[in-house]
Amino acid sequence: DSGVTQTPKHLITATGQRVTLRCSPRSGDLSVYWYQQSLDQGLQFLIQYYNGEERAKGNILERFSAQQFPDLHSELNLSSLELGDSALYFCASSPQGINTDTQYFGPGTRLTVL
Amino acid sequence: AQSVSQHNHHVILSEAASLELGCNYSYGGTVNLFWYVQYPGQHLQLLLKYFSGDPLVKGIKGFEAEFIKSKFSFNLRKPSVQWSDTAEYFCAAFPRGAGSYQLTFGKGTKLSVIP
Repeated sequence: DSGVTQTPKHLITATGQRVTLRCSPRSGDLSVYWYQQSLDQGLQFLIQYYNGEERAKGNILERFSAQQFPDLHSELNLSSLELGDSALYFCASSPQGINTDTQYFGPGTRLTVL
Repeated sequence: AQSVSQHNHHVILSEAASLELGCNYSYGGTVNLFWYVQYPGQHLQLLLKYFSGDPLVKGIKGFEAEFIKSKFSFNLRKPSVQWSDTAEYFCAAFPRGAGSYQLTFGKGTKLSVIP
């Protein structure tokens, strides 16, 4: 158990819908990262937050957005869902979000878009 | 753009065989390197990491990796695998000078160990 929690574990929805994925970082970690894992693209970095502020953006679609709240939990919002958005979405956290940190990963949310 | 390549998609070994998984990165500057493991149905766990210093890094569960700068490689090794090592292994990197800490992952290597 890494100490990073994600809910829900599984999510099944239809095209065009909107979903919210939730992540709680390890106690004391200030930085949260979101990754998407799919069969064709592998594990891809989406976005990073540090203490409530967006720090870096990767291959995140405009239909996706995220935020980190004052209690440091984070939510990833996916809207106008397409079949190709079906994937495993991981959240990770690290203490300071700097290059001497280690990222600790949560169990993931498996999203299926029908 | 930075990329990480893992050459083997699926490796099948018998117990007690030696393991070497290849990883190459494409970035000319200084990089931090990682190997993560994902056991079936579980989250990614850190096996080992290299930031600087001794290029031979020892991790958990008897794994080690060697950083060879001239070859842009960070191969993972284990002298004798066990059935419990069956998992997917991911190499990851990020450039040290980057303003943010975003890992670039390889596509992963699935390891199946036959008892």
